[in-house]
Amino acid sequence: DAKTTQPNSMESNEEEPVHLPCNHSTISGTDYIHWYRQLPSQGPEYVIHGLTSNVNNRMASLAIAEDRKSSTLILHRATLRDAAVYYCILRDRGDNAGNMLTFGGGTRLMVKP
Amino acid sequence: DSGVTQTPKHLITATGQRVTLRCSPRSGDLSVYWYQQSLDQGLQFLIQYYNGEERAKGNILERFSAQQFPDLHSELNLSSLELGDSALYFCASSFRGAVKNIQYFGAGTRLSVL
Repeated sequence: DAKTTQPNSMESNEEEPVHLPCNHSTISGTDYIHWYRQLPSQGPEYVIHGLTSNVNNRMASLAIAEDRKSSTLILHRATLRDAAVYYCILRDRGDNAGNMLTFGGGTRLMVKP
Repeated sequence: DSGVTQTPKHLITATGQRVTLRCSPRSGDLSVYWYQQSLDQGLQFLIQYYNGEERAKGNILERFSAQQFPDLHSELNLSSLELGDSALYFCASSFRGAVKNIQYFGAGTRLSVL
């Protein structure tokens, strides 16, 4: 799988927007960009994914650069419950041998009240 | 609640012993994955089963084995345990094995080897 690079940690104020960046300069044309997060003492949970176009769901938005070499996860109003480690993961849609997730170090988001 | 159930939540055992971790996937999900999370290695994929058959293998030690039963629940067997096997073990499930299928994770089993 292609590699992703994320900042180790970020801090945000409650009720403010948060932009979590991810660089994936070696992304291939068939790679989906997935985001998962892991809240303290819990298993990872899916946040959002996209291929080329920006995506929105009830949890977050995903902005994908035109050249697809980077993406940004946007939390529109951070809450204390959003404090977690956020993982940006690339998955090759052509990979039928398995669908494992390859987790990097992720970004630890801290939310201040 | 993800719908994925893992038992037990905690397990404390001694070196050299054998343990079995159990995972019940979400209703309707055919694919089960096992991951290990340790402080020094982070989250690592171990093995995937799809509808009872092994689909993919990751960094799984030979002392570890898994299976998926006809009712689709899965068990991860860890034998000849060492101190370094202490970790959180997560099970995840997805409808099929396709890339677009979201993986839903259980709350994990915390294994402590003393």
